[in-house]
Amino acid sequence: DAKTTQPNSMESNEEEPVHLPCNHSTISGTDYIHWYRQLPSQGPEYVIHGLTSNVNNRMASLAIAEDRKSSTLILHRATLRDAAVYYCILRVPNSGNTPLVFGKGTRLSVIA
Amino acid sequence: NAGVTQTPKFQVLKTGQSMTLQCAQDMNHEYMSWYRQDPGMGLRLIHYSVGAGITDQGEVPNGYNVSRSTTEDFPLRLLSAAPSQTSVYFCASSHTPGRTGWSLREKLFFGSGTQLSVL
Repeated sequence: DAKTTQPNSMESNEEEPVHLPCNHSTISGTDYIHWYRQLPSQGPEYVIHGLTSNVNNRMASLAIAEDRKSSTLILHRATLRDAAVYYCILRVPNSGNTPLVFGKGTRLSVIA
Repeated sequence: NAGVTQTPKFQVLKTGQSMTLQCAQDMNHEYMSWYRQDPGMGLRLIHYSVGAGITDQGEVPNGYNVSRSTTEDFPLRLLSAAPSQTSVYFCASSHTPGRTGWSLREKLFFGSGTQLSVL
C-alpha cells in the first residue's frame, strides 16, 4: 500500500513558524493531499487539503512539491493551542471505496 | 449545528457483553464511518456507509456490526465484547458527490469519541 511518511515528533517555540513535512512518493495523479490534526482528547479535525497548487486558509498553508511526492504543512505562528498530532493523508491507490487511511502522524509540541 | 454527536463518552464492559455506540450527525451527510484509535497508533477504519441502507467494511471490521437505516444515524454494535476492543472510537461524516463513493475533496467531520474499556 502507498503510505505517507511523517516524522514521529517535532517541537516548536511559540509564535514561530512550523513546517511539518510529509513524503508520499507513490501518490497517484488524482489523489488529493489532506491534513488533519488531533488535539488532546478530541477527535481529528480538518486542517487543509490540496491537489497541485499551494493552498492557504485561516488555519495553515499547504505547500506541495512540483512532483507531488512531498508536501509541507505550514503553521505561520505556532500557539500553544496548536500542540496536536498532525496527520498527512492521501488515498491509497487501487483502494476502491476505502476512504481516508490515517498513519501515526507527527506529534507537535509547542514550547512557551 | 451540533455536528457529529457520539454517545456515550465513556463505557466499561465485561467480556462477552454487548452494546451499541451511537453516532448522529445533523449536517445531512451521506457518508459516515467508524474508526478506532489505540495508543501509539493512528486511526483505523472499522466500517463505513455511503448512504442509508448501504454499509461496507473497513480495515478492521471483525467483531463489529453496523447498519444505516437513516441518513442521520450510524450505530456501531459490539455483539460480544473482547478485551482487544478496548479503544477510543470515533465516528466521522462527510458529504459525497454521489452514492458511488467518498471523494477526497470532501472533508471529514469527527465526533469527540467514545472511550471503551472491556475487562
